[in-house]
Amino acid sequence: QITLKESGPTLVKPTQTLTLTCIFSGFSLSTSGVGVAWIRQPPGKALEWLAVIYWNDDKQYSPSLKSRLTITKDTSKNEVVLTMTNMDPVDTATYYCAHRRPRMAGPTQYYAMDDWGQGTTVTVSS
Amino acid sequence: DIQMTQSPSSLSASVGDRVTIACRASQSISRYLNWYQQKPGKAPKLLIYAASSLQSGVPSRFSGSGSGTEFTLTISSLQPDDFATYYCQQSDSTPPTFGQGTRLEIK
Repeated sequence: QITLKESGPTLVKPTQTLTLTCIFSGFSLSTSGVGVAWIRQPPGKALEWLAVIYWNDDKQYSPSLKSRLTITKDTSKNEVVLTMTNMDPVDTATYYCAHRRPRMAGPTQYYAMDDWGQGTTVTVSS
Repeated sequence: DIQMTQSPSSLSASVGDRVTIACRASQSISRYLNWYQQKPGKAPKLLIYAASSLQSGVPSRFSGSGSGTEFTLTISSLQPDDFATYYCQQSDSTPPTFGQGTRLEIK
């Protein structure tokens, strides 16, 4: 059984740095093709992908947020950490981490976010 | 970034109805299209990947089709548990992008 759980502060002040941790079980971030992604959802709005880290330590970031984001992993602890600098009230959202894995459909490899954490709500306010 | 546009934004339907949700990509994404279901206060759940492949454990009343820029999610006979918000998401290029969501409500 795969589980993921996000943790971090529920309230941060504008300009502060947010640090979120995703602890997972049931899969290994050492397995080829596997990644852990972060996605957020402002209240009443759509999902927004933020970043992903792969088994080989490659990282990708949302271009619009790249300057503010850092994603790291500790494979031995089954842990992925996302930091976001210079927080603003518009960053108020529920933040999710998700397990991204490859699968085959016919001869082609595809990726989807199979398993998600329950989410952690972050409010940015002074 | 590839823009994903869903239609309609909201939909009212009754138990037993057949429902179709459309998703359009701003450029061709082949079949790199996933569908998720989200209920209030819960995380999204993967329903369909690769445009038409059913995720394990998802009821067969859900189906997906399309390729290129036009995709659809169909629920063949709505059940009470299906009233939720549905999102399409492209996995063709970074950043992966989501549609704005389609809220499916009980008529």
